[in-house]
Amino acid sequence: GQQLNQSPQSMFIQEGEDVSMNCTSSSIFNTWLWYKQDPGEGPVLLIALYKAGELTSNGRLTAQFGITRKDSFLNISASIPSDVGIYFCAGLNYGGATNKLIFGTGTLLAVQP
Amino acid sequence: SAVISQKPSRDICQRGTSLTIQCQVDSQVTMMFWYRQQPGQSLTLIATANQGSEATYESGFVIDKFPISRPNLTFSTLTVSNMSPEDSSIYLCSVEAPGRTQYFGPGTRLLVL
Repeated sequence: GQQLNQSPQSMFIQEGEDVSMNCTSSSIFNTWLWYKQDPGEGPVLLIALYKAGELTSNGRLTAQFGITRKDSFLNISASIPSDVGIYFCAGLNYGGATNKLIFGTGTLLAVQP
Repeated sequence: SAVISQKPSRDICQRGTSLTIQCQVDSQVTMMFWYRQQPGQSLTLIATANQGSEATYESGFVIDKFPISRPNLTFSTLTVSNMSPEDSSIYLCSVEAPGRTQYFGPGTRLLVL
């Protein structure tokens, strides 16, 4: 099935560093979502974006809906050990026959204390 | 947000057998979704399950292999039939939530020997 390309594939950083990751698509979406998955758990919603150019924050997390509607970015500031996990973007074209999410390939984040 | 539970949380099965996974939500929802997450991979949508109608399957997934029931607005089951080692994955259910988002259950970890 279709997947969105996320980069980087993995990141190994020191606690306190800032993190940036992005997600690109060959097709446009009207909604972008960012999820985090901890080991042994299901994905948890972090941020939802609804308009091209929109910038939304959730604590230390900031995400942007790309102007072209084909990409999105997630930044984490001042990383802490509990930020460890896999981050997935997901695109959605809401209003279709089935409102299905297309997931990105994921970014694995490791934070060293 | 909706609270979603799945049973079993994990299982080890023999090839050729079938396993039924249950998904229970603490509130009534219209749309439920079933995903597969193969080891080290992203999430792939198997099917969309609406109450009172046949499930809608994505390309590459068929009803004979993954029959789905949706008897009411809070419950759904996914059966993995005639299993082979290639079916070893995490199976996740999700529900459509306000704001064009989806909430996920904790997943069922399946290992087929």
